[in-house]
Amino acid sequence: GAGVSQTPSNKVTEKGKYVELRCDPISGHTALYWYRQSLGQGPEFLIYFQGTGAADDSGLPNDRFFAVRPEGSVSTLKIQRTERGDSAVYLCASSSRGGPYNEQFFGPGTRLTVL
Amino acid sequence: DQQVKQNSPSLSVQEGRISILNCDYTNSMFDYFLWYKKYPAEGPTFLISISSIKDKNEDGRFTVFLNKSAKHLSLHIVPSQPGDSAVYFCAASGGGSNYKLTFGKGTLLTVNP
Repeated sequence: GAGVSQTPSNKVTEKGKYVELRCDPISGHTALYWYRQSLGQGPEFLIYFQGTGAADDSGLPNDRFFAVRPEGSVSTLKIQRTERGDSAVYLCASSSRGGPYNEQFFGPGTRLTVL
Repeated sequence: DQQVKQNSPSLSVQEGRISILNCDYTNSMFDYFLWYKKYPAEGPTFLISISSIKDKNEDGRFTVFLNKSAKHLSLHIVPSQPGDSAVYFCAASGGGSNYKLTFGKGTLLTVNP
């Protein structure tokens, strides 16, 4: 079956612009995660959804970052007033349920470059 | 503050030999540990995991060892194959936020034919 998909695969934007990154999880997965991977680092947790609600958004770096999952499936990560430091690969993952024993399946990521 | 540390950025081994990747952690609340493998331009894929109640878990050529007292785990790949060349991430969860994975920086494994 289809895995986690993310669009766009690459996004180049200018400092100060607004961007939206989309994640399509595996069908039926109720848990969805966003991570950010900067150059030379491992993925860092941003936010976790269980269904439509954000169960934990403690990893969002500041209020320029926001994510939604209105119907409990597709999620959109939104970044306002982008800064050069936002440049990274944004990874989305989904699992059948929350919790560590349920494997998180990752998408290929969106590479965001802020000029 | 890195809670999960992979101190070797890279490792090179010959095909057929053993690859040993190491990982240390500082948060004693972690109780579940995972290894992910990542190829370029792809997302990480789950490889193997271990719960803190165990000290070893084996799956085919892959074995993970956990030493809780030393807060150390390792991944052994025997025998190593060229297709194993990838970045390997150690990850941990637990301590109340048991859905959130904390990753190390990764180790680039190169298996030479």
